[in-house]
Amino acid sequence: GAVVSQHPSRVICKSGTSVKIECRSLDFQATTMFWYRQFPKQSLMLMATSNEGSKATYEQGVEKDKFLINHASLTLSTLTVTSAHPEDSSFYICSARGALAGGNEQFFGPGTRLTVL
Amino acid sequence: AQKVTQAQTEISVVEKEDVTLDCVYETRDTTYYLFWYKQPPSGELVFLIRRNSFDEQNEISGRYSWNFQKSTSSFNFTITASQVVDSAVYFCALSEASGGSNYKLTFGKGTLLTVNP
Repeated sequence: GAVVSQHPSRVICKSGTSVKIECRSLDFQATTMFWYRQFPKQSLMLMATSNEGSKATYEQGVEKDKFLINHASLTLSTLTVTSAHPEDSSFYICSARGALAGGNEQFFGPGTRLTVL
Repeated sequence: AQKVTQAQTEISVVEKEDVTLDCVYETRDTTYYLFWYKQPPSGELVFLIRRNSFDEQNEISGRYSWNFQKSTSSFNFTITASQVVDSAVYFCALSEASGGSNYKLTFGKGTLLTVNP
């Protein structure tokens, strides 16, 4: 099946630093990638949608200058949390969709747990 | 706007009991997809089922079964003879069927299922 990886799985950083999270589709070309954020005991909230080679589309209330998304290739998207603060601590999950991998289905990465001290 | 409601926040059962997780959705689309995902404590989302709006047949997969009823906009999930390993958060989700929407997913708030030995 279609596999999506994320790196790192866990990261702890100091307040004010930037953190980059990578999302890779390992066995298919991901035309679209999604980034979600999940706070403890809450649901997944879509942050942004990115299509390869295009600027990401952010959901209402998500600061695009704080959460930088780059989808430069069909297998890699990155999310950079700039000037992270403790309130950014969360579980970040990416998913990917590709025409050859189920079309409308999203395949999810294992998630990255970010803790900002 | 799309909406998914999982009214049951938490359910606790004893092993071998049957349990049904409710999901009610709202959409203006005539074509859409419904999903169920399992999220164990590790955090990784596990895909369980996808159903398109034109297929109202119920589905059974081992101990899992799903009841899709368009008349009541419900897509309920039943686990028969529950096991401790079924303990997890279960999410119901709805996807638009338009490629122009990138098939964005709207998640319910999730139901925490605890199966006690």
